[in-house]
Amino acid sequence: EVQLVESGGGLVQPGGSLRLSCAASGFTFSSYWMHWVRQAPGKGLVWVSRINSDGSSTSYADSVKGRFTISRDNAKNTLYLQMNSLRAEDTAVYYCARGNIAVAGWAGYWGQGTLVTVSS
Amino acid sequence: VIWMTQSPSLLSASTGDRVIISCRMSQGISSYLAWYQQKPGKAPELLIYAASTLQSGVPSRFSGSGSGTDFTLTISCLQSEDFATYYCQQYYSFPYTFGQGTKLEIK
Repeated sequence: EVQLVESGGGLVQPGGSLRLSCAASGFTFSSYWMHWVRQAPGKGLVWVSRINSDGSSTSYADSVKGRFTISRDNAKNTLYLQMNSLRAEDTAVYYCARGNIAVAGWAGYWGQGTLVTVSS
Repeated sequence: VIWMTQSPSLLSASTGDRVIISCRMSQGISSYLAWYQQKPGKAPELLIYAASTLQSGVPSRFSGSGSGTDFTLTISCLQSEDFATYYCQQYYSFPYTFGQGTKLEIK
């Protein structure tokens, strides 16, 4: 069974940093693209970032480019999102997600999400 | 960036109704479109990908159509469990984008 479990969320001050993790199990993690998607309280879904299977290619939403870095450790079956220079508008539940096939832009599997709150 | 216009933002319907949700792109995306359902406090669930391919386990009352710039999600014969928020997503080019969402509520 595919499982994605996010962790690392919490309260952080504006300008601060946080690193999210997503522990994957139940599939060959090193074969799949992975994504981060976020959702501000009461708002819609926003795609944040994607990384290819070996970590050599990454993509970002304009709103986080230059501040967030997606990475992965295939030996540990873990996806990361390093978030720097955090702003109040980054407050959201952050989901990691995986497609149905190895190279998929859509997400058939999602974690339960981890809440990031940026506030002083 | 590909902009998406999803409509309506709010849809009131009754059990047994047929409803259609629309998603229009600012440029053509072939069939690189997915639809998701989200219930309060839960992660989204994939319904359809490649514009019209039903995700495994999704009831056949859900269907998707369209290509290029105009897409629709149709739910025939609404069931009580279908009242939720629905999102379209394009994955034709980065940055990927989601529609604004359609909240389907009970009339």
